[in-house]
Amino acid sequence: DIQMTQSPSSLSASVGDRVTITCRASQSINNYLNWYQQKPGKAPKLLIYAASSLQSGVPSRFSGSGSGTDFTLTISSLQPEDFATYYCQQSYYTPRTFGHGTRVEIK
Amino acid sequence: EVQLLESGGGLVQPGGSLRLSCAASGFTFSSYAMSWVRQAPGKGLEWVSTISGSSGNTFTADSVKGRFTISRDNSKNALYLQMNSLRAEDAAVYYCAKDRASSGYYGTFDYWGQGTLVTVSS
Repeated sequence: DIQMTQSPSSLSASVGDRVTITCRASQSINNYLNWYQQKPGKAPKLLIYAASSLQSGVPSRFSGSGSGTDFTLTISSLQPEDFATYYCQQSYYTPRTFGHGTRVEIK
Repeated sequence: EVQLLESGGGLVQPGGSLRLSCAASGFTFSSYAMSWVRQAPGKGLEWVSTISGSSGNTFTADSVKGRFTISRDNSKNALYLQMNSLRAEDAAVYYCAKDRASSGYYGTFDYWGQGTLVTVSS
């Protein structure tokens, strides 16, 4: 199975901060990498697909980059509603696998 | 508006069975692959199973293969997950999820239901 390693596992940041989360695949997945946001008690929400494409309705402060094995999710200016857990997920190999998540907390 | 509504979760004893359902609306159901993804309490997300739009292809995680069966009824816009021989480690919130694209690689989930909780305990 493809292992997806996210870092950091958690971070504390302030409103307005630039936040970067990384995700590394155990082997190349081309650009078949998605990012989801999940708030407590809620279903995940797709933010970025195909590594860098912004899902419809998602604010432009979210962006993704990378290809192959190394990927990044960036929030350009953290907003109060962005405090959540973020997951990366590969959609190239079966089984589809997720990272363990990055919890973004208020500093 | 796309809506996915799961049902069928509950408390079941180890070794028991449960059938989850997901009622879909707001899109052409038969055109999209559908999946089940689960999340154990306090844990991360785990893909469980996917079925193609035509039901011609199914894919299932090794952790549940032989015990769980995914199916769909396109005439009813409904997705199902038959879960047999349930174990304690199957306890989780089970989400149904719609694929973003109507063709190509499956596994980009653009809409999710609210989830249904499965508890496995004696």
